Amino acid sequence: AQSVTQPDIHITVSEGASLELRCNYSYGATPYLFWYVQSPGQGLQLLLKYFSGDTLVQGIKGFEAEFKRSQSSFNLRKPSVHWSDAAEYFCAVDGDYKLSFGAGTTVTVRA
Amino acid sequence: DAGVTQSPTHLIKTRGQQVTLRCSPKSGHDTVSWYQQALGQGPQFIFQYYEEEERQRGNFPDRFSGHQFPNYSSELNVNALLLGDSALYLCASSPPRFRSYNEQFFGPGTRLTVL
Repeated sequence: AQSVTQPDIHITVSEGASLELRCNYSYGATPYLFWYVQSPGQGLQLLLKYFSGDTLVQGIKGFEAEFKRSQSSFNLRKPSVHWSDAAEYFCAVDGDYKLSFGAGTTVTVRA
Repeated sequence: DAGVTQSPTHLIKTRGQQVTLRCSPKSGHDTVSWYQQALGQGPQFIFQYYEEEERQRGNFPDRFSGHQFPNYSSELNVNALLLGDSALYLCASSPPRFRSYNEQFFGPGTRLTVL
């Protein structure tokens, strides 16, 4: 069975600073990996996805993520955070066409 | 192109009641999945419908049931509501497998409160 761990429950970052959110997954086969963002009271918006190929994937809103098979990780990064990036971020792995999500990381952006 | 839509937006029920939530998939999508997101947690997979049949199911009791209609829209039914069923219920749709990978697009959710 697949699973996802997001070690950081809450991260606070200054506007303009860089951001990295950690994600570790467990899955027996080649994983399909995703990062979603959720603003308060909203649904999930896909930031980026990894299926195969280049291990560095680019997403929307200036986000990128790097797949490292040896570390079973898929960390999300952004070079310069904007106040509008404050939200909940979820990492997910697809196993047999159903998504398993981590518990999420809440990002707070301070001025 | 409308995305995934869900109704109602909010719902308040009492313990023991039954509830039906509705979902219309994104145009061109034929598969619908339902997730439950309790406060402060990540979404949990409930089940998935394809060709009007339940294709997969997560670890949810039989009180949770669903249906998919010929137009690919779907309903989630929950019987004998418990306080612990209070959550945001998310619907996600995905395109036919032969077209592309099963990337899921989420709706805004239905917030269910059980009193």
